[in-house]
Amino acid sequence: NAGVTQTPKFQVLKTGQSMTLQCAQDMNHEYMSWYRQDPGMGLRLIHYSVGAGITDQGEVPNGYNVSRSTTEDFPLRLLSAAPSQTSVYFCASSGQGRTGELFFGEGSRLTVL
Amino acid sequence: GQNIDQPTEMTATEGAIVQINCTYQTSGFNGLFWYQQHAGEAPTFLSYNVLDGLEEKGRFSSFLSRSKGYSYLLLKELQMKDSASYLCAVSGYSGAGSYQLTFGKGTKLSVIP
Repeated sequence: NAGVTQTPKFQVLKTGQSMTLQCAQDMNHEYMSWYRQDPGMGLRLIHYSVGAGITDQGEVPNGYNVSRSTTEDFPLRLLSAAPSQTSVYFCASSGQGRTGELFFGEGSRLTVL
Repeated sequence: GQNIDQPTEMTATEGAIVQINCTYQTSGFNGLFWYQQHAGEAPTFLSYNVLDGLEEKGRFSSFLSRSKGYSYLLLKELQMKDSASYLCAVSGYSGAGSYQLTFGKGTKLSVIP
C-alpha cells in the first residue's frame, strides 16, 4: 500500500533557485493538498485541488505554484526559493473532499540558504 | 476565519489518563478531527466528531460540544509510544460556498516512566 508518496525527502536550495516537490497518490482520491509545517505555526494550507484540472489557493500560496493534470499527481513548484520557505512540506489527499480524513505523505524537509 | 486553541505542551505518566483540550471559534462548523504526529513523521488520523458526544476507539476517545466550541482527546493507559504531538483540526465555512480545514498548533505530549 503506497498511499501518498512524496519526493524528495530532503532538499537544500540556494536563494533564487527553483524546484518541484512531487506528490503522487494511488487511492484515486479527488482531493489533494499541500501544507507547510513550521515550529509554533501548525500546519498551513498552501494550495489544494478538488480534481484534475482544478486548483485553488490556500492560506499561504505566495511563492508557490501547483498543477493537477492527473488524478494521481499534484506537484508543488517553488519559483524562486527564499529562506522564508525553509519548512517541512506535506502532501495530503482525501477521498471525501477537503473536509474528509486526510492521508499524508511522509514529508519533504526543505532548507533554503 | 477560524481560531483554534490547544495547550502547547503536556506531560503525563505511563499508565495514567490524559485529556488534551481544544477550543475553537468558527462559522458553519462542519466537523472536528484529531491527528497524531510523532516527531519527524507525518500526521495520522485518530478521530472525527461532527455531533455532540463521545466517540471511543480503543484507548483513545474524543468528545465534542458544538455549543461550547470545545473538544477533548482522552488517552487512557498511556504508553511511552503515545509521546507525540496531537493536532486538533476544525472544518468550518470559509465563504463562497466552500469549507476549509484549519489546524491548531498542536499539543506536544511527553509520557514519562
